[in-house]
Amino acid sequence: EPEVTQTPSHQVTQMGQEVILRCVPISNHLYFYWYRQILGQKVEFLVSFYNNEISEKSEIFDDQFSVERPDGSNFTLKIRSTKLEDSAMYFCASSAPGQWFFTDTQYFGPGTRLTVL
Amino acid sequence: ELKVEQNPLFLSMQEGKNYTIYCNYSTTSDRLYWYRQDPGKSLESLFVLLSNGAVKQEGRLMASLDTKARLSTLHITAAVHDLSATYFCAVDSPPSNTGKLIFGQGTTLQVKP
Repeated sequence: EPEVTQTPSHQVTQMGQEVILRCVPISNHLYFYWYRQILGQKVEFLVSFYNNEISEKSEIFDDQFSVERPDGSNFTLKIRSTKLEDSAMYFCASSAPGQWFFTDTQYFGPGTRLTVL
Repeated sequence: ELKVEQNPLFLSMQEGKNYTIYCNYSTTSDRLYWYRQDPGKSLESLFVLLSNGAVKQEGRLMASLDTKARLSTLHITAAVHDLSATYFCAVDSPPSNTGKLIFGQGTTLQVKP
């Protein structure tokens, strides 16, 4: 069964460093998302992406964050200058075209645990 | 802003018992999702509820949606240990229809033998 994959599974970085989290969505999906989950807390929306553009972003997704689909398969999240509070599990998700665009189920990847020291 | 609240946040139950998890949300939305998360793992889709009165069942789990009451329930019948996990509801955030899901806090279910 097709699945969303993410690399790396765990990333440790120093505060102020740039990190790039990588995702390979399910191949026929057109809508892509990033969420994060701080340990023990709820899942928070960061950004949705369609047709090579950001569709919506949350207040968390400030100028330090960016997303890109550099080729036909990868979807990346870049954090330019990491802060301690960016430590979290980052999940990529993708969904297929539904009857009303985004209503189809979002399938989540296994996550990248980001630790900022 | 849309708020999604689940209760209870923690549920410890005996095998064989029934229980219900509640998910309330604050503004109109017609699309609600239930996910399961095992410790340290990703989120697994359980149900998608797309209209008022929708009811879906899979094994010992049954989900329903009342859009007028802004309430979804996840009912567990005759719980077994394998159902131990954290369950999240998530609501599609109107009106932008961009796939932004707002999640509840999660309900951690512990089923004891």
